[in-house]
Amino acid sequence: EAGVAQSPRYKIIEKRQSVAFWCNPISGHATLYWYQQILGQGPKLLIQFQNNGVVDDSQLPKDRFSAERLKGVDSTLKIQPAKLEDSAVYLCASSFEGDTEAFFGQGTRLTVV
Amino acid sequence: SQQGEEDPQALSIQEGENATMNCSYKTSINNLQWYRQNSGRGLVHLILIRSNEREKHSGRLRVTLDTSKKSSSLLITASRAADTASYFCATPPRGFKTIFGAGTRLFVKA
Repeated sequence: EAGVAQSPRYKIIEKRQSVAFWCNPISGHATLYWYQQILGQGPKLLIQFQNNGVVDDSQLPKDRFSAERLKGVDSTLKIQPAKLEDSAVYLCASSFEGDTEAFFGQGTRLTVV
Repeated sequence: SQQGEEDPQALSIQEGENATMNCSYKTSINNLQWYRQNSGRGLVHLILIRSNEREKHSGRLRVTLDTSKKSSSLLITASRAADTASYFCATPPRGFKTIFGAGTRLFVKA
C-alpha cells in the first residue's frame, strides 16, 4: 500500500514570499490533515478535511494560510506571505475515518529567512 | 489547544531497561493513540486503544488506559537503541480531530 506522499521535502524562502505544499493521501482515506510541527513541539493541527469539506480549521491563520482538497483526494496548503515564525515541518496525514489511526507523510521542512 | 499531555518530557535509559511514559487528557475520547517520531522520519502509528479497553499489547509495547483518571501509559520493554525517538499520544475527542501532545523524548543508551 502506497503511503502519504508530500512534496517538496525541503523549501527555503524569504519572508513575505509565498509557498505551496502538496499532499496525496492514501487511496480511500476520507480524512486528510495538515499539521505544523515546530522544532521540539508536538504537531499542531492546522486543518482537517473530510472528503473535500473542511471539518476544522480553527487553528489555521487564515490571513496568510489557505488549503484546499480538490475532488476529495489531493490537497495543497499555501502560505502567503510567509513570516519567519512559519519555519517548521508541515506534515500531511490521512486516515480512513476522523479518529482512527493516521498515516503521515515525510513532511516538508520550510525555512523562512 | 492540546488535548493530551505526555509525561515525562524527557527520559534517558540504558538499553535493555523498560521505559514508561504517560499521557493525560481532558475530555471524553473514543480512543487513544500512541505515535513515534524518529529524527528524520515522519510520525508512525504504534498502537490504538479504544475507550472500552483497559490494556493492549503489541510486541514489546504495552498500553493501558484508565478513563476514570483520563490517563494512559505506554510501556516499552527491553528497550533498544532504535527505540530512541519522541513519543506522542493523540486523544481524539468523540468524532474527530486527532490532536497531539508535546511528546516524551526517549533516549536509549547502548
